[in-house]
Amino acid sequence: ETGVTQTPRHLVMGMTNKKSLKCEQHLGHNAMYWYKQSAKKPLELMFVYSLEERVENNSVPSRFSPECPNSSHLFLHLHTLQPEDSALYLCASSISGRSGKNIQYFGAGTRLSVL
Amino acid sequence: GDSVTQMEGPVTLSEEACLTINCTYTATGYPSLFWYVQYPGEGLQLLLKATKADDKGSNKGFEATYRKETTSFHLEKGSVQVSDSAVYFCAENSGYSTLTFGKGTMLLVSP
Repeated sequence: ETGVTQTPRHLVMGMTNKKSLKCEQHLGHNAMYWYKQSAKKPLELMFVYSLEERVENNSVPSRFSPECPNSSHLFLHLHTLQPEDSALYLCASSISGRSGKNIQYFGAGTRLSVL
Repeated sequence: GDSVTQMEGPVTLSEEACLTINCTYTATGYPSLFWYVQYPGEGLQLLLKATKADDKGSNKGFEATYRKETTSFHLEKGSVQVSDSAVYFCAENSGYSTLTFGKGTMLLVSP
């Protein structure tokens, strides 16, 4: 148990569905991240929310929409996905800052399959 | 942009063999360096880290030394166990909170 909880653990959806992934952290962190993990590819940072920075990977399609209502919760809203979006989606959290020493703690991920 | 390069896997070893997984980075300056491990069906967990040159990170019998002169952070273990079978990720952080990860190296340890 890392203190970062992701739900659901598994999700199967059709290309016309709308669904949301949820991430919650209980570590007192103020930065949260979404990563996409596909087979045989590097971990892809999708979005970052923190006090100091908000990063959006410009290669992420608009069918992925993040929402961060507070420092403990992060959502990833999904709509009209494509089969190539099937992957493991990982959430992480950390203390934000420029030190570069801040450790990211990961959730167990949501395994998404798009049919 | 910055990148991290790891050796291709899978690495297949017998129990009690020695392990080395190579990792090099391109970031300039003095990034912090990390090894994360991902067990089957789980997210990534921090295994060890080093934040300045010549630092040695260690945990669970694994070690890695921050080598500025060769921009490397190789992961080593003297005697692997079946339970060490997992995917290992090298990562660097040169500012703010974002990490740059390598592609990961799968380790398979047989009895």
